[in-house]
Amino acid sequence: KNQVEQSPQSLIILEGKNCTLQCNYTVSPFSNLRWYKQDTGRGPVSLTIMTFSENTKSNGRYTATLDADTKQSSLHITASQLSDSASYICVVTLNSGNTPLVFGKGTRLSVIA
Amino acid sequence: NAGVMQNPRHLVRRRGQEARLRCSPMKGHSHVYWYRQLPEEGLKFMVYLQKENIIDESGMPKERFSAEFPKEGPSILRIQQVVRGDSAAYFCASSPPGLAGSYEQYFGPGTRLTVT
Repeated sequence: KNQVEQSPQSLIILEGKNCTLQCNYTVSPFSNLRWYKQDTGRGPVSLTIMTFSENTKSNGRYTATLDADTKQSSLHITASQLSDSASYICVVTLNSGNTPLVFGKGTRLSVIA
Repeated sequence: NAGVMQNPRHLVRRRGQEARLRCSPMKGHSHVYWYRQLPEEGLKFMVYLQKENIIDESGMPKERFSAEFPKEGPSILRIQQVVRGDSAAYFCASSPPGLAGSYEQYFGPGTRLTVT
């Protein structure tokens, strides 16, 4: 069964600190992995997208890693800001002409002053 | 270039009524996807459409739910005889023409359906 598991379920950190979110997947065949940020009451916004051959990709203070052998990905947030408070969703795409995407439940991050 | 637009943003329906959710994709995008997000749950794929065609509806309940993406106008997700369990946020996303899985999907702000 194609699944995407994320941990932790929720996380609270102080402003300015770093954090790392985890994603494990069993999706096969694999096409790409995406991280999305979803603010409360809004639609998801893409942060990074990585294909099978990519190990790391950065977008400002966000750095995503991918280990296709162990089927694990992480999202590292550096020097967190209050505006980083959101849900971070790991999404894996099946390697087929038609999607669907398989979504994790997300990690709810709260950055406090 | 306006993003993906959805309306209404909030919709309240009584049990047994019909709900119609609209999605206008980004300009130049011909692929539309609908997702449902239950409270405290991840997004779940419902249906993938191209203009005038349903490509994949494997995530959509067989009864009461239907979707269309006509040649002209927005995509419509229709829920007939709504029940309380249909209360959720419904998100639409769009992507450019081509191999769907390879392209970025851009999400709309969602429609929050409440069934009373």
